[in-house]
Amino acid sequence: AQSVTQLGSHVSVSEGALVLLRCNYSSSVPPYLFWYVQYPNQGLQLLLKYTSAATLVKGINGFEAEFKKSETSFHLTKPSAHMSDAAEYFCAVSGEGGYQKVTFGTGTKLQVIP
Amino acid sequence: SQTIHQWPATLVQPVGSPLSLECTVEGTSNPNLYWYRQAAGRGLQLLFYSVGIGQISSEVPQNLSASRPQDRQFILSSKKLLLSDSGFYLCAWRGYRSGANVLTFGAGSRLTVL
Repeated sequence: AQSVTQLGSHVSVSEGALVLLRCNYSSSVPPYLFWYVQYPNQGLQLLLKYTSAATLVKGINGFEAEFKKSETSFHLTKPSAHMSDAAEYFCAVSGEGGYQKVTFGTGTKLQVIP
Repeated sequence: SQTIHQWPATLVQPVGSPLSLECTVEGTSNPNLYWYRQAAGRGLQLLFYSVGIGQISSEVPQNLSASRPQDRQFILSSKKLLLSDSGFYLCAWRGYRSGANVLTFGAGSRLTVL
Protein backbone atom coordinates (compact mmCIF):
# COMPACT_ATOMS: atom_id res chain seq x y z
CA ALA A 1 0.00 0.00 0.00
CA GLN A 2 1.14 3.51 -0.66
CA SER A 3 -0.11 7.00 0.04
CA VAL A 4 0.93 10.62 -0.16
CA THR A 5 0.06 13.48 2.16
CA GLN A 6 0.51 17.07 1.06
CA LEU A 7 0.40 19.49 3.95
CA GLY A 8 -1.44 22.68 3.08
CA SER A 9 -3.94 22.85 0.27
CA HIS A 10 -3.03 26.51 -0.29
CA VAL A 11 0.34 28.20 0.12
CA SER A 12 1.03 31.90 -0.44
CA VAL A 13 4.48 33.39 -0.87
CA SER A 14 5.78 36.76 -1.94
CA GLU A 15 7.57 37.09 -5.23
CA GLY A 16 11.26 36.42 -4.59
CA ALA A 17 10.63 34.44 -1.41
CA LEU A 18 11.43 30.80 -0.77
CA VAL A 19 8.89 28.25 -1.95
CA LEU A 20 8.41 25.17 0.24
CA LEU A 21 5.71 22.64 -0.56
CA ARG A 22 5.51 19.66 1.75
CA CYS A 23 5.00 16.03 0.84
CA ASN A 24 5.14 12.96 3.05
CA TYR A 25 4.76 9.47 1.67
CA SER A 26 4.02 5.99 2.82
CA SER A 27 5.11 2.98 0.81
CA SER A 28 5.66 -0.70 1.51
CA VAL A 29 8.34 -0.90 -1.19
CA PRO A 30 11.22 1.44 -2.09
CA PRO A 31 9.40 4.37 -3.60
CA TYR A 32 9.70 6.36 -6.74
CA LEU A 33 8.53 9.90 -6.03
CA PHE A 34 7.34 12.61 -8.37
CA TRP A 35 6.28 16.23 -8.37
CA TYR A 36 3.91 17.45 -11.05
CA VAL A 37 2.67 20.98 -11.77
CA GLN A 38 -0.72 21.90 -13.20
CA TYR A 39 -1.60 25.28 -14.64
CA PRO A 40 -5.29 26.23 -14.86
CA ASN A 41 -7.30 24.08 -17.23
CA GLN A 42 -4.28 22.11 -18.33
CA GLY A 43 -2.92 18.64 -17.78
CA LEU A 44 -0.15 17.79 -15.34
CA GLN A 45 3.48 18.32 -16.26
CA LEU A 46 6.37 16.48 -14.65
CA LEU A 47 8.62 18.76 -12.57
CA LEU A 48 11.04 16.18 -11.22
CA LYS A 49 11.35 12.59 -10.07
CA TYR A 50 13.28 10.58 -7.52
CA THR A 51 14.40 7.11 -8.53
CA SER A 52 16.99 6.32 -5.82
CA ALA A 53 19.95 7.60 -7.85
CA ALA A 54 20.45 10.76 -5.77
CA THR A 55 18.57 12.13 -2.79
CA LEU A 56 18.61 15.72 -4.03
CA VAL A 57 16.74 15.97 -7.30
CA LYS A 58 16.74 19.00 -9.56
CA GLY A 59 13.86 19.65 -11.88
CA ILE A 60 12.62 22.19 -14.36
CA ASN A 61 11.97 25.87 -13.64
CA GLY A 62 14.49 25.99 -10.77
CA PHE A 63 12.65 23.55 -8.51
CA GLU A 64 14.33 20.84 -6.50
CA ALA A 65 13.30 18.23 -3.96
CA GLU A 66 15.14 16.20 -1.37
CA PHE A 67 14.31 12.61 -0.52
CA LYS A 68 14.61 11.99 3.22
CA LYS A 69 13.96 8.37 4.05
CA SER A 70 14.13 8.88 7.83
CA GLU A 71 11.39 11.50 7.60
CA THR A 72 9.50 9.82 4.73
CA SER A 73 9.45 13.21 3.05
CA PHE A 74 9.97 14.64 -0.41
CA HIS A 75 9.47 18.38 -0.04
CA LEU A 76 9.61 20.66 -3.06
CA THR A 77 11.59 23.90 -2.88
CA LYS A 78 12.57 26.86 -5.00
CA PRO A 79 14.85 29.59 -3.65
CA SER A 80 13.02 32.51 -5.23
CA ALA A 81 9.38 32.47 -6.31
CA HIS A 82 8.34 33.93 -9.61
CA MET A 83 4.85 35.01 -10.61
CA SER A 84 4.82 32.28 -13.24
CA ASP A 85 5.16 29.65 -10.48
CA ALA A 86 1.53 30.18 -9.46
CA ALA A 87 -0.09 26.82 -10.12
CA GLU A 88 -1.20 23.64 -8.39
CA TYR A 89 1.47 21.14 -7.42
CA PHE A 90 0.97 17.41 -6.93
CA CYS A 91 3.23 14.94 -5.19
CA ALA A 92 2.97 11.30 -6.28
CA VAL A 93 4.43 7.94 -5.26
CA SER A 94 4.92 4.70 -7.14
CA GLY A 95 6.79 1.47 -6.85
CA GLU A 96 9.41 0.48 -9.39
CA GLY A 97 8.08 -0.86 -12.66
CA GLY A 98 5.56 0.35 -15.22
CA TYR A 99 2.84 -1.88 -13.80
CA GLN A 100 2.96 -0.18 -10.42
CA LYS A 101 0.11 2.15 -9.52
CA VAL A 102 0.84 5.86 -9.17
CA THR A 103 -0.84 7.48 -6.16
CA PHE A 104 -1.28 11.24 -6.08
CA GLY A 105 -1.65 13.66 -3.21
CA THR A 106 -4.55 16.10 -3.07
CA GLY A 107 -2.47 18.97 -4.38
CA THR A 108 -1.20 22.32 -3.12
CA LYS A 109 -2.19 25.55 -4.81
CA LEU A 110 0.66 28.03 -4.81
CA GLN A 111 -0.17 31.72 -4.89
CA VAL A 112 2.62 34.19 -5.59
CA ILE A 113 2.01 37.71 -4.29
CA PRO A 114 3.70 40.56 -6.15
CA SER B 1 8.44 12.28 -29.90
CA GLN B 2 5.37 11.08 -28.09
CA THR B 3 2.23 13.19 -27.89
CA ILE B 4 -1.14 12.62 -26.31
CA HIS B 5 -4.40 14.18 -27.48
CA GLN B 6 -7.70 14.49 -25.71
CA TRP B 7 -11.02 15.74 -26.99
CA PRO B 8 -13.29 17.44 -26.56
CA ALA B 9 -11.58 19.98 -24.33
CA THR B 10 -14.85 21.20 -22.86
CA LEU B 11 -18.24 19.56 -22.72
CA VAL B 12 -21.58 20.56 -21.19
CA GLN B 13 -24.13 17.76 -21.06
CA PRO B 14 -27.57 17.30 -19.50
CA VAL B 15 -28.18 14.68 -16.84
CA GLY B 16 -29.06 11.35 -18.44
CA SER B 17 -27.26 11.99 -21.71
CA PRO B 18 -24.44 9.77 -23.01
CA LEU B 19 -20.74 10.62 -22.89
CA SER B 20 -17.73 9.82 -24.99
CA LEU B 21 -14.27 11.25 -24.30
CA GLU B 22 -11.45 10.21 -26.55
CA CYS B 23 -7.71 9.96 -26.01
CA THR B 24 -5.04 9.05 -28.55
CA VAL B 25 -1.30 8.66 -28.20
CA GLU B 26 1.25 9.14 -30.97
CA GLY B 27 4.87 8.12 -31.22
CA THR B 28 4.79 4.98 -29.11
CA SER B 29 3.38 1.50 -29.32
CA ASN B 30 1.59 -0.63 -26.73
CA PRO B 31 1.47 2.12 -24.10
CA ASN B 32 -0.12 1.70 -20.70
CA LEU B 33 -3.07 4.11 -20.74
CA TYR B 34 -4.95 5.70 -17.87
CA TRP B 35 -8.08 7.76 -17.19
CA TYR B 36 -8.04 9.99 -14.11
CA ARG B 37 -10.73 12.30 -12.77
CA GLN B 38 -9.86 15.43 -10.89
CA ALA B 39 -12.28 17.04 -8.47
CA ALA B 40 -11.55 20.14 -6.43
CA GLY B 41 -9.65 19.35 -3.25
CA ARG B 42 -9.54 15.64 -3.96
CA GLY B 43 -6.48 15.24 -6.11
CA LEU B 44 -6.48 12.75 -8.93
CA GLN B 45 -8.62 9.64 -8.80
CA LEU B 46 -7.61 6.76 -11.04
CA LEU B 47 -10.68 5.52 -12.91
CA PHE B 48 -9.38 3.00 -15.45
CA TYR B 49 -6.13 1.71 -16.83
CA SER B 50 -5.28 -0.46 -19.80
CA VAL B 51 -2.18 -2.47 -20.64
CA GLY B 52 -3.35 -3.49 -24.12
CA ILE B 53 -6.16 -3.61 -26.66
CA GLY B 54 -9.39 -4.75 -25.05
CA GLN B 55 -7.77 -4.98 -21.60
CA ILE B 56 -9.43 -2.62 -19.13
CA SER B 57 -9.09 -2.52 -15.36
CA SER B 58 -11.50 -0.49 -13.29
CA GLU B 59 -10.35 1.08 -10.06
CA VAL B 60 -13.67 2.26 -8.65
CA PRO B 61 -17.27 1.25 -9.26
CA GLN B 62 -19.08 4.04 -11.00
CA ASN B 63 -21.28 5.22 -13.79
CA LEU B 64 -18.46 5.22 -16.34
CA SER B 65 -16.82 2.66 -18.59
CA ALA B 66 -13.69 2.59 -20.71
CA SER B 67 -12.67 0.87 -23.91
CA ARG B 68 -9.49 0.45 -25.90
CA PRO B 69 -10.44 -0.43 -29.45
CA GLN B 70 -6.99 0.28 -30.88
CA ASP B 71 -3.47 0.18 -29.48
CA ARG B 72 -3.19 3.94 -29.03
CA GLN B 73 -6.83 4.87 -28.46
CA PHE B 74 -8.57 5.01 -25.10
CA ILE B 75 -12.22 6.01 -24.74
CA LEU B 76 -14.18 6.96 -21.62
CA SER B 77 -17.95 6.53 -21.87
CA SER B 78 -21.19 6.70 -20.02
CA LYS B 79 -24.69 5.69 -21.09
CA LYS B 80 -26.41 8.11 -18.71
CA LEU B 81 -24.56 10.94 -17.04
CA LEU B 82 -25.11 11.92 -13.41
CA LEU B 83 -24.49 15.30 -11.82
CA SER B 84 -21.64 13.73 -9.87
CA ASP B 85 -19.84 12.89 -13.11
CA SER B 86 -18.87 16.54 -13.53
CA GLY B 87 -15.13 17.08 -13.33
CA PHE B 88 -11.86 17.37 -15.16
CA TYR B 89 -10.89 14.15 -16.91
CA LEU B 90 -7.28 13.45 -17.70
CA CYS B 91 -5.86 10.78 -19.94
CA ALA B 92 -2.27 9.68 -19.46
CA TRP B 93 0.20 7.20 -20.84
CA ARG B 94 3.11 5.73 -18.97
CA GLY B 95 6.54 5.40 -20.47
CA TYR B 96 10.08 4.86 -19.33
CA ARG B 97 12.04 8.09 -19.03
CA SER B 98 15.48 8.37 -17.44
CA GLY B 99 15.20 5.68 -14.84
CA ALA B 100 11.52 5.73 -14.03
CA ASN B 101 8.15 5.02 -15.50
CA VAL B 102 6.61 8.45 -15.83
CA LEU B 103 3.03 9.45 -16.51
CA THR B 104 2.51 11.91 -19.34
CA PHE B 105 -0.84 13.66 -19.31
CA GLY B 106 -3.09 15.06 -21.97
CA ALA B 107 -4.54 18.56 -21.69
CA GLY B 108 -7.74 17.27 -20.12
CA SER B 109 -11.47 17.38 -20.83
CA ARG B 110 -13.71 19.45 -18.59
CA LEU B 111 -17.17 17.95 -18.24
CA THR B 112 -20.08 19.85 -16.74
CA VAL B 113 -23.29 17.93 -16.20
CA LEU B 114 -26.37 20.12 -15.70
